[in-house]
Amino acid sequence: EPEVTQTPSHQVTQMGQEVILRCVPISNHLYFYWYRQILGQKVEFLVSFYNNEISEKSEIFDDQFSVERPDGSNFTLKIRSTKLEDSAMYFCASRGDNSPRSPFGPGTRLTVT
Amino acid sequence: GENVEQHPSTLSVQEGDSAVIKCTYSDSASNYFPWYKQELGKRPQLIIDIRSNVGEKKDQRIAVTLNKTAKHFSLHITETQPEDSAVYFCAPSTGTASKLTFGTGTRLQVTL
Repeated sequence: EPEVTQTPSHQVTQMGQEVILRCVPISNHLYFYWYRQILGQKVEFLVSFYNNEISEKSEIFDDQFSVERPDGSNFTLKIRSTKLEDSAMYFCASRGDNSPRSPFGPGTRLTVT
Repeated sequence: GENVEQHPSTLSVQEGDSAVIKCTYSDSASNYFPWYKQELGKRPQLIIDIRSNVGEKKDQRIAVTLNKTAKHFSLHITETQPEDSAVYFCAPSTGTASKLTFGTGTRLQVTL
């Protein structure tokens, strides 16, 4: 069964540095999402992406965040200048046209020091 | 925005007993109601879901019931096993393209 994949599995960065988290959604899916989960807390929506543009974003997704689909397979989340509070697990998810189900990738654990 | 609450926040049951977790949501436009299971350090995994035109759905030991009028839906696990121990999240959504709004989570512990 096809799965969403994410790289890296763990990223350690210093405060103020830029990071790019990568996702490969399921190949025939059209809707892409980023969520984050701070340790011990619930999963929070960041942004949704459809037809090469952002369709919805949360208050968390401020000017420091951006998303891109640079080619036909990758979907990336960039954080321009990381803060300590960006430390979290970041999950990518994708969804097809005919189903509300959105499988999650395995996540990238981001640690900002 | 959607406000989603889960009760209880923690639940401890003995192996073989049943467990019920309730999710209350605020957006009457919600029409998709999934439950996710998350084991420590892992991704959320969809375990069962229901759409708004159905009141109940069962898959072996797990079931979901929906009360759209009261805006809540519940996860039922029967004959619990130690491997059911995890955090469970409800995550209602308003449509195919729409985001999931996760509840606060319920930590289920199944003891021997």
